[in-house]
Amino acid sequence: LAKTTQPISMDSYEGQEVNITCSHNNIATNDYITWYQQFPSQGPRFIIQGYKTKVTNEVASLFIPADRKSSTLSLPRVSLSDTAVYYCLVASISGAGSYQLTFGKGTKLSVIP
Amino acid sequence: EAGVAQSPRYKIIEKRQSVAFWCNPISGHATLYWYQQILGQGPKLLIQFQNNGVVDDSQLPKDRFSAERLKGVDSTLKIQPAKLEDSAVYLCASSQERGNTDTQYFGPGTRLTVL
Repeated sequence: LAKTTQPISMDSYEGQEVNITCSHNNIATNDYITWYQQFPSQGPRFIIQGYKTKVTNEVASLFIPADRKSSTLSLPRVSLSDTAVYYCLVASISGAGSYQLTFGKGTKLSVIP
Repeated sequence: EAGVAQSPRYKIIEKRQSVAFWCNPISGHATLYWYQQILGQGPKLLIQFQNNGVVDDSQLPKDRFSAERLKGVDSTLKIQPAKLEDSAVYLCASSQERGNTDTQYFGPGTRLTVL
């Protein structure tokens, strides 16, 4: 299963752009990179997914370089409500042949007023 | 569209007791997952169903944990007997398929405390 590494925590002021970088050195050719967000007392929520180059949706952008060994989640102009844990994931085939999301500890983002 | 429903939201039991959690996935979602999330860690997959069949239960402690998904819709996860280290949030998620691009939708979880 592909392993990801990301910072344990980050702080940011309101209104700033936040970039969270994740490394996934052993990503396989068919793997996609996915980011989830989790608020306290809630289940994780899908944010964005990409394969290479840049993907943008209404809440975030995802930058993936050509070698795909890392990715960067970009949150524009964060607000207090963006305080959460952000997980970088690669869906990989398990020993049983199913695609699995392997969660690490994630990055705890704290937005400061 | 209704989300993934789970009950109960909280449960407190003593060690060696039994407990069961229930999950109702999003309508039409073929794949259902149960995760265990210990405080301060990311969710860990316990078992994955495709319709009413088990796809992967390699990380399920089968000596005490069991799960079923009768009729390919609702699912229950049981722990018998519970241990102190089972204290965690148990998350249920569902997705339409089981490919590597499929989005998983998570329920709010059941917080289990074992005393």
